[in-house]
Amino acid sequence: EVQLVESGGGLVQPGRSLRLSCAASGFTFDDYAMHWVRQTPGKGLEWVSSISWNSGRTAYADSVKGRFAISRDNVINSLYLQMSSLRAEDTAFYYCAKDRRAENYCYMDVWGRGTTVTVSS
Amino acid sequence: DIQMTQSPSSLSASVGDRVTITCQASQDINNCLNWYQQKPGKAPKLLIYDASNLETGVPSRFSGSGSGTDFIFTISSLQPEDTATYYCQQYDNLPLTFGGGTKVEIK
Repeated sequence: EVQLVESGGGLVQPGRSLRLSCAASGFTFDDYAMHWVRQTPGKGLEWVSSISWNSGRTAYADSVKGRFAISRDNVINSLYLQMSSLRAEDTAFYYCAKDRRAENYCYMDVWGRGTTVTVSS
Repeated sequence: DIQMTQSPSSLSASVGDRVTITCQASQDINNCLNWYQQKPGKAPKLLIYDASNLETGVPSRFSGSGSGTDFIFTISSLQPEDTATYYCQQYDNLPLTFGGGTKVEIK
């Protein structure tokens, strides 16, 4: 079964850091680009960051550029999002998602269940 | 950034009705558009990719059309299990952007 399982969310104070993880199984992880997408309660979806199959290309939303870093470990089939200098507006439900392509960012065809990040003092 | 404008933001229809959602891009995105369904408390699910291609396993009552800046998502015969919020998403240019969503309810 193709599966993505996020972890690492929680309550964090403004200005602090947090690292999200996403464990992949049921597919050849290093064949596909991966994404992080977030959703605030009752609101819509916001793309956060993407990484190509071999980590050669990364991309970030302007709202997180310079504060967040996406990475992956193809040996242990895991995706990460290192979040620094967290702000209240980063409070959201974070999903990892698999693309159907390796190099380009197109279709998010598999999604995890998500993990909650709350930034508050 | 490419803005994706969805309408309506919500709708209520009866079982068996034909439901149409539109998505307008702020610039030409060719056919680089996907549609997702999100049920309450669940992750989004890819339904339509490349504007009109039905994802494997998705019922044929769902369809998509359009190209350029104007796109349409259709449910040909609304079913109770279609209660959800639907989002369009463009991938022609970074940043990837989503529409604001359309909440579909059963009347």
